[in-house]
Amino acid sequence: AQRVTQPEKLLSVFKGAPVELKCNYSYSGSPELFWYVQYSRQRLQLLLRHISRESIKGFTADLNKGETSFHLKKPFAQEEDSAMYYCALFSGSARQLTFGSGTQLTVLP
Amino acid sequence: ETGVTQSPTHLIKTRGQQVTLRCSSQSGHNTVSWYQQALGQGPQFIFQYYREEENGRGNFPPRFSGLQFPNYSSELNVNALELDDSALYLCASSLGGGGGKTGELFFGEGSRLTVL
Repeated sequence: AQRVTQPEKLLSVFKGAPVELKCNYSYSGSPELFWYVQYSRQRLQLLLRHISRESIKGFTADLNKGETSFHLKKPFAQEEDSAMYYCALFSGSARQLTFGSGTQLTVLP
Repeated sequence: ETGVTQSPTHLIKTRGQQVTLRCSSQSGHNTVSWYQQALGQGPQFIFQYYREEENGRGNFPPRFSGLQFPNYSSELNVNALELDDSALYLCASSLGGGGGKTGELFFGEGSRLTVL
C-alpha cells in the first residue's frame, strides 16, 4: 500500500528565512510525486511535480529515492507563501493520488 | 476556460439519509475524481470516472457510488449516511488521455456535508 507522511502539522518561519516542508513516502513502484497548495479561501491547486524538475514561486523539491523523501524547499520565505501544503503520490495503476495530512506554513513578518 | 464547479457548497443531512453531490469538470477534461477530506486530514481518494465508467476506487464502501455523464460532469451519491461521512467532498478533473494517467488534478471548491 502507498503512504505519504508529512510529519509537521504546523510550521512557522520568519520572512526571508529558509523553509523546508518534509514529505516521506512508501511505494513499491516508481513514484510520481507532487506538491499541492491551498491558500486561504482558495481551492487546492498543483504547485509542482517532481518529474518536471521545475521551480515554482521559488519552491523546489527533489525526489530522493534512497531516503524515500520529497521535501519542499524555498531559500527565502515570503508572507504570501503562508498556506496549507500537501504532498501527494500518484499511482497510475490505481489511478489515484494519495495525499499526506498536510503542513500549515505560516510566514511571520 | 471554465474551472471545476461543485454544488451544493454546503448541506446538512441526518443519519440514514441519502445525498447527491454534483460536479462540472474543467472545459476539455474527460476524467473526474472524487475525494473526501475530513477535518484536519488530507483528501482521500473515493473513485475516478472516465468515459462514464468507474475505473479506479479507493477504500470506500459500496454505498458511495457515482456517475459520469457524456458531457464529463459527474455525481457522487452516498446512501445510508453515517456521522463519519461528515466531510468536505472534493471533485477534481484531469485530462487523463485514457483514464487518469496523470496526477495533475484541477480541484473544485468542494461540497461540505454535515451529517447529524
